[in-house]
Amino acid sequence: RKEVEQDPGPFNVPEGATVAFNCTYSNSASQSFFWYRQDCRKEPKLLMSVYSSGNEDGRFTAQLNRASQYISLLIRDSKLSDSATYLCVVGSGWGQNFVFGPGTRLSVLP
Amino acid sequence: EPEVTQTPSHQVTQMGQEVILRCVPISNHLYFYWYRQILGQKVEFLVSFYNNEISEKSEIFDDQFSVERPDGSNFTLKIRSTKLEDSAMYFCASRDRGQETQYFGPGTRLLVL
Repeated sequence: RKEVEQDPGPFNVPEGATVAFNCTYSNSASQSFFWYRQDCRKEPKLLMSVYSSGNEDGRFTAQLNRASQYISLLIRDSKLSDSATYLCVVGSGWGQNFVFGPGTRLSVLP
Repeated sequence: EPEVTQTPSHQVTQMGQEVILRCVPISNHLYFYWYRQILGQKVEFLVSFYNNEISEKSEIFDDQFSVERPDGSNFTLKIRSTKLEDSAMYFCASRDRGQETQYFGPGTRLLVL
């Protein structure tokens, strides 16, 4: 079983749409959870950390369900600049080494 | 805003040659990481480094790889004898004590011919 799995994508949505990303992880001992975004041939950049209580940052909302080992990201009112690959990332172990999902590519169309 | 820097941005080498990839982590960070991303694939953990020693390493990080913090600012990844399959983007990351977020450098694109 893969450690971190994500929707295969790609997602092509019109501007203004709401889009949801799903992620599951296999290691129940994982301790930290994130969504990063990656533009083509660039480094991963932190979008937001994810907590069990859920967190919101403007148009972005992330949720964590530890019992079902599930993480989600919701983007409301999507913009052209949201076009990127969204990476679900889980931190494990003493050093909090990151395990990355394969990413889900989003294209927001005018 | 402080950031992780990496040099070179691109490196082309012949199979069997040694390469050294360099990183300057964010200055007050204490934990350092190397990851790689083969074109079209996911980002994979290679090694973590803390207190001048390796904390953890993946199966990818075999005897051909080594890391070093030669001074107070640089963090290097050496590949002793490169193989074609080492061609990838190599990302350095760092994080501060008590923080969970890792900050990534822009990467070095390595091409082994």
